[in-house]
Amino acid sequence: KAGVTQTPRYLIKTRGQQVTLSCSPISGHRSVSWYQQTPGQGLQFLFEYFSETQRNKGNFPGRFSGRQFSNSRSEMNVSTLELGDSALYLCASSLVASGNNEQFFGPGTRLTVL
Amino acid sequence: GENVEQHPSTLSVQEGDSAVIKCTYSDSASNYFPWYKQELGKRPQLIIDIRSNVGEKKDQRIAVTLNKTAKHFSLHITETQPEDSAVYFCAAISPGAGSYQLTFGKGTKLSVIP
Repeated sequence: KAGVTQTPRYLIKTRGQQVTLSCSPISGHRSVSWYQQTPGQGLQFLFEYFSETQRNKGNFPGRFSGRQFSNSRSEMNVSTLELGDSALYLCASSLVASGNNEQFFGPGTRLTVL
Repeated sequence: GENVEQHPSTLSVQEGDSAVIKCTYSDSASNYFPWYKQELGKRPQLIIDIRSNVGEKKDQRIAVTLNKTAKHFSLHITETQPEDSAVYFCAAISPGAGSYQLTFGKGTKLSVIP
């Protein structure tokens, strides 16, 4: 099976802009979770989608949003970008709700905000 | 919410020696504890996990132990090899009403010196 894919792999934006990142899970996986990875804060949970519904959300401002489509592909949107949003954004898929199931990570999208 | 502390943040060992990474968690309801390995420039990958009804789990050179009373769990790598060099993340998952909370430790950078 093909692994989790994310597009784009690299992105450069300026403050105030918005960005949309895409994640395609492993075929058959219905759960997609998003994480922000920075050197200072490590891996932080953003949110999880399962069957097109957001099931859980981490402690991020409302500028961070997401959605999931009927084919389980997910998008994450960040509006009004700030310098501190520069990070590696990882998505992970799992067969069912990922609470206690193995999550398979994508390669990430490296976002740089100038 | 859940808080996961991971120590040490960096660890250097000689090839062939053992490495131990420790994590503590705060939520006694947490019931699933995965460990992920992230090599430089690559995505995190699950290497071992343990559930709250088990005290120890082994898989070849790696093992994880869980002490529910003390709320800590540890990763043990024996006979370390240069390819074990990576950042290791622990995580704790606590259940909620129809959802869960996933919290990662901040990571341990392991360097195995040949």
